[in-house]
Amino acid sequence: QSVLTQPPSASGTPGQRVTISCSGSSSNIGSNYVYWYQQLPGTAPKLLIYRNNQRPSGVPDRFSGSKSGTSASLAISGLRSEDEADYYCAAWDDSLSGPVFGTGTKVTVL
Amino acid sequence: EVQLVESGGVVVQPGGSLRLSCAASGFTFDDYAMHWVRQAPGKGLEWVSLISWDGGSTYYADSVKGRFTISRDNSKNSLYLQMNSLRAEDTALYYCAKGEGDGYNLFDYWGQGTLVTVSS
Repeated sequence: QSVLTQPPSASGTPGQRVTISCSGSSSNIGSNYVYWYQQLPGTAPKLLIYRNNQRPSGVPDRFSGSKSGTSASLAISGLRSEDEADYYCAAWDDSLSGPVFGTGTKVTVL
Repeated sequence: EVQLVESGGVVVQPGGSLRLSCAASGFTFDDYAMHWVRQAPGKGLEWVSLISWDGGSTYYADSVKGRFTISRDNSKNSLYLQMNSLRAEDTALYYCAKGEGDGYNLFDYWGQGTLVTVSS
């Protein structure tokens, strides 16, 4: 089961900014890097943000990540129709000795 | 270009066994830890297992501990997951994923997955 808590859904119109939260604890987000993944329908997850706020090459700068204490956020600015997907946060958990995922957030572009 | 190609997923009866494979290319395989992650139909992502770059350390989710074994063959650029005592709740798409950077960082590249169905 998921250890990190995300809102089940988020939405916006094209061009808007959408923010997704990810809440954890001192054993995961509070002491380790946060990663964000985008999963388009029927495809494998893709890395969007690593080490809290780093973007891999090829990921648009419309996507940004931040972390504060035991929470993290993913922001999507200039929302586009192709951003419709499920988004997951993840972090290593020291207590479980393994990575944990968020519950996932489905982003809809209205 | 990093490529991860999983294989071995089939329909298997409860209590049965299965071995998944992941063929890696496009990077120096023995420089990185590797993971298995699964996704049950219509559900979220669940980490399954991790193996260090040299195979010397392994970690498992509680849900599979004692039933699954992760291994790797660096001479063949391949990752494996031996799955025993399979249960209906193990039904999922199983992804092979590469660890990012050094140590036990999380996943930067994923395969397309192989489907395991546990059903009588």
